[in-house]
Amino acid sequence: EIVMTQSPVTLSVSPGDRATLSCRASQSIGTDLAWYQHKPGQAPRLLIYDISRRATDIPARFSGSGSGTDFTLTINSLQSEDLAVYYCQHYHRWPLWTFGQGTKVEI
Amino acid sequence: QVQLVQSGAEVRKPGASVKVSCKASEYSFTMYAIHWVRQAPGQRPEWMGWINPANGNTKLSDVFQDRVSLTRDTSTAYMTLSRLRSDDTALYYCARDSLGHGGFAGQYFDYWGQGTLVTVSS
Repeated sequence: EIVMTQSPVTLSVSPGDRATLSCRASQSIGTDLAWYQHKPGQAPRLLIYDISRRATDIPARFSGSGSGTDFTLTINSLQSEDLAVYYCQHYHRWPLWTFGQGTKVEI
Repeated sequence: QVQLVQSGAEVRKPGASVKVSCKASEYSFTMYAIHWVRQAPGQRPEWMGWINPANGNTKLSDVFQDRVSLTRDTSTAYMTLSRLRSDDTALYYCARDSLGHGGFAGQYFDYWGQGTLVTVSS
């Protein structure tokens, strides 16, 4: 099984900051990496797929990068509405669809 | 726009079963696989299985192979979890696979339901 490991567990930021979230896969996953934003009481929201493609209606301040086993979600000019837990997920090979443990972005 | 609306919170005793529904709207239901994911308190999301709405075929995680049943009707997917234990207490989500080809799965999840809290307590 491909294990996804995220860091840090918690990221303390201020509005206007740049937030950098990391995700590492236990083996190469090609381009099969997605990021989700999850706020309490809401449905998770797809942000990024295929490492760096923004989903529909996702602001340009969200960007994804990386390759192989190491990936990054960057949030530029962080806004208060961006406070949430962010998860990475691979969809590379069976068993597909394992998630990282999440990074909580808080003030 | 695409919506997945789940049924409300449930409370069950250990050993019982629970059935959660996920009603899809504003897209062709049979074209996109539906996944089920659960998240227990303080844990990472855990994939449970998926169903092809076109033919009802399913694929389950080994973890849930003997306790989960996935079914569907014309526009709603269902997840039944049996022989409940206290550690099944979690939020349960349905999510649409983005592949959009014949109801098969294999990509990321582009839309999610709002979640259904299942509490197992004696």
